[in-house]
Amino acid sequence: DAGVIQSPRHEVTEMGQEVTLRCKPISGHDYLFWYRQTMMRGLELLIYFNNNVPIDDSGMPEDRFSAKMPNASFSTLKIQPSEPRDSAVYFCASSRPGGAYEQYFGPGTRLTVT
Amino acid sequence: EDQVTQSPEALRLQEGESSSLNCSYTVSGLRGLFWYRQDPGKGPEFLFTLYSAGEEKEKERLKATLTKKESFLHITAPKPEDSATYLCAVSAGANSKLTFGKGITLSVRP
Repeated sequence: DAGVIQSPRHEVTEMGQEVTLRCKPISGHDYLFWYRQTMMRGLELLIYFNNNVPIDDSGMPEDRFSAKMPNASFSTLKIQPSEPRDSAVYFCASSRPGGAYEQYFGPGTRLTVT
Repeated sequence: EDQVTQSPEALRLQEGESSSLNCSYTVSGLRGLFWYRQDPGKGPEFLFTLYSAGEEKEKERLKATLTKKESFLHITAPKPEDSATYLCAVSAGANSKLTFGKGITLSVRP
């Protein structure tokens, strides 16, 4: 298996622009997680899905952030409008059915908002 | 609220110098404790899952142990390629999400 796939790997954008991050989970995994990692705050969970349904979005910073999972093999995280404080590395992870199993992470998207 | 604290923040070892990394946690109803390794510019890589106090798991030079309040990642005779950030995370209650610690950055000098 190719593992979790994320695109783009790097994104540089100007403040106020819309940013869309993409993720393809491991086939057969029915949990999908979006994280943000910064030096100050470490790795923070933003939202997670089970069987394409959002279960917990309490980590989403504000209404500028939205996430969708239209099918089992694709998810997006959108930021609109973007702000400099959104600069971070965003990871997508997936895990197999059951809920208490290990998560497998993608390579991340490094977002820089100027 | 689930809390995970890792110590020390950074650790520098000489090649062959064994040591332990600590992860203390406060959760209600632990379902699992996870150790990950993260190399610069990459996503966290899964190492171990521990489910109950007293459990131990080993992989090459790494051994993870679990008590009711903390977990240790023991590194025996480390090599420079073991240099990385090691993250600890917990899953608790009915939730499937992981709460991560800030990580321990390990540097092993040849």
